[in-house]
Amino acid sequence: DAGVIQSPRHEVTEMGQEVTLRCKPISGHNSLFWYRQTMMRGLELLIYFNNNVPIDDSGMPEDRFSAKMPNASFSTLKIQPSEPRDSAVYFCASTGTADFEQYFGPGTRLTVT
Amino acid sequence: GQSLEQPSEVTAVEGAIVQINCTYQTSGFYGLSWYQQHDGGAPTFLSYNGLDGLEETGRFSSFLSRSDSYGYLLLQELQMKDSASYFCAVRGADYGGATNKLIFGTGTLLAVQP
Repeated sequence: DAGVIQSPRHEVTEMGQEVTLRCKPISGHNSLFWYRQTMMRGLELLIYFNNNVPIDDSGMPEDRFSAKMPNASFSTLKIQPSEPRDSAVYFCASTGTADFEQYFGPGTRLTVT
Repeated sequence: GQSLEQPSEVTAVEGAIVQINCTYQTSGFYGLSWYQQHDGGAPTFLSYNGLDGLEETGRFSSFLSRSDSYGYLLLQELQMKDSASYFCAVRGADYGGATNKLIFGTGTLLAVQP
């Protein structure tokens, strides 16, 4: 298996622009998670899905952030408009039912100037 | 609220044993996980404790005491490649039982010296 796939790996954009991060979970996994990691705030859970349905989005910072999972093999995290404080590494992870091990993708390093 | 406390940094020498502690306060608890993250990399799973006691996986062991809201990761026969950040993470629980949600601690940076 290829593991969790994320794209792009690096993104540099200007403040105010829309940013879309993409994730393909491991085939057969039914839970998908979006995390953000910064030095100041550590690894934060933004949102997670079970069977393509958002279960907990309490970590989404504000309305500028949105996430979708249109099918079992694809999810997006969108930031519109982006701000410099959104600069971070964004990880996607997936896991199977009753599985306590989360598998992380390589992450997307986002820089907003 | 929910919080997990870990030491921010630990230094040890090759071949030694090191213990990284984690104390937690969470509204729901189902188990404690440990993840390793090398600089520039993604977190990778090391160990999980769903019950009190010790779990051993090669050079790594993890311990949980639910009554003390405390766990630790024990790394033996340290190698240079063990230099990384280590995170404890609580697996949440709700009325339906275990959830897949993880709340991560702040991480402990382990530096292994020759």
